[in-house]
Amino acid sequence: EVQLVESGGGLVQPGGSLRLSCAASGFAFSNHVMNWVRQAPGKGLEWVSSLTGNGENTYYADSVKGRFTISRDNSKSTVHLQMNSLRAEDTAVYYCVRRSWPWGPFDIWGQGTMVTVSS
Amino acid sequence: EVVLTQSPATLPLSPGERATLSCRASQSITNYLAWYQQKPGQAPRLLIYDASNRATDIPARFSGSGSGTDFTLTISSLEPEDFAVYYCQQRSSWPLTFGGGTKVEVK
Repeated sequence: EVQLVESGGGLVQPGGSLRLSCAASGFAFSNHVMNWVRQAPGKGLEWVSSLTGNGENTYYADSVKGRFTISRDNSKSTVHLQMNSLRAEDTAVYYCVRRSWPWGPFDIWGQGTMVTVSS
Repeated sequence: EVVLTQSPATLPLSPGERATLSCRASQSITNYLAWYQQKPGQAPRLLIYDASNRATDIPARFSGSGSGTDFTLTISSLEPEDFAVYYCQQRSSWPLTFGGGTKVEVK
């Protein structure tokens, strides 16, 4: 079964850091661009970051550039999102998402992990 | 940045009725548009990719059309499980963007 399972969410103070992880299974992980998409409470979807299969090319939304870092370990089929200098507006459910072919649509989504930034 | 504008924001319909959802892009995205369905408490699910291609296991009552800047998602006859929020998303250029969503609700 193709599956993505996120972990690492929680409550963090403004200015703090958090590292999200996503464990993939059931597919050739290194062949796919992996992504993070977030959804603030009651709001729509926002793309956050993407990373190519070989780990060489990264892409970020302007809202997180310079604060978030995406990385992957193809030997463990995992992708991470290191989030620093967190702000209240980063509060959201963070989804780990696979692109269906190198630059295709988002075809597989994890269940999401909640990040709350609050004092 | 490509801005996607979805309309209407809310669409009240009854089971069995036809639903027509619109997504308009601020510039041409050729056919690089996808549609997703999201139910409360669940992750989004891919319905349509490249404007008109149904994703795996998506029922035939869902169809997509359009190119350039104007796109439509049609649900031919609403089933009870189709009442949800629908998002469009473009992959034509960075940053990847989503529309604000259309909520299909029971009338």
